[in-house]
Amino acid sequence: GAVVSQHPSWVICKSGTSVKIECRSLDFQATTMFWYRQFPKQSLMLMATSNEGSKATYEQGVEKDKFLINHASLTLSTLTVTSAHPEDSSFYICSALMGLAGEQFFGPGTRLTVL
Amino acid sequence: QQQVKQSPQSLIVQKGGISIINCAYENTAFDYFPWYQQFPGKGPALLIAIRPDVSEKKEGRFTISFNKSAKQFSLHIMDSQPGDSATYFCAASKRTSYDKVIFGPGTSLSVIP
Repeated sequence: GAVVSQHPSWVICKSGTSVKIECRSLDFQATTMFWYRQFPKQSLMLMATSNEGSKATYEQGVEKDKFLINHASLTLSTLTVTSAHPEDSSFYICSALMGLAGEQFFGPGTRLTVL
Repeated sequence: QQQVKQSPQSLIVQKGGISIINCAYENTAFDYFPWYQQFPGKGPALLIAIRPDVSEKKEGRFTISFNKSAKQFSLHIMDSQPGDSATYFCAASKRTSYDKVIFGPGTSLSVIP
């Protein structure tokens, strides 16, 4: 089956620093990837849609200057949380869209804790 | 119109029983309805999915029932097991346009021995 990986699986950082999270499709090419945020006991909230070679499309209310997304290749998208603050602490999950089938495969998530 | 509603919020079922989770949607343009299973600290995993031209789909102990006219669909888990204890999300998307998936709020299922 299709596999999506995320790195790191968890990260702890100080307030004001930037953190980069990688999302990779391991055995397929993904022109489209999605980034979600999930708070405890809540549903997944879509943050942005990342398309290879073009600018990401952000959902309403998501600060594009704070959450920088880069989709430089067909297997890699990155999310950088700039100048992180404690309220940015959350579970970040990416997914990759597989070809014409349109199936979304999710990564295992990254737990970000900002102190 | 993009919203997907889901109930119940939480569900406790005895081992061997049937777990039923219901969802409803508004947007008739949705043409793909997946269910995801998520364990604590993990990403969601696709469990089963259905398209609106089919009224029922079964895979092992998991069955989706789909009512297009009512814009409702449900997940039935037969012979529920403690290992099924997880959070379940129904979702909807316009698959033909590779559109984003809209998730329901989730149902926390606990299967007790």
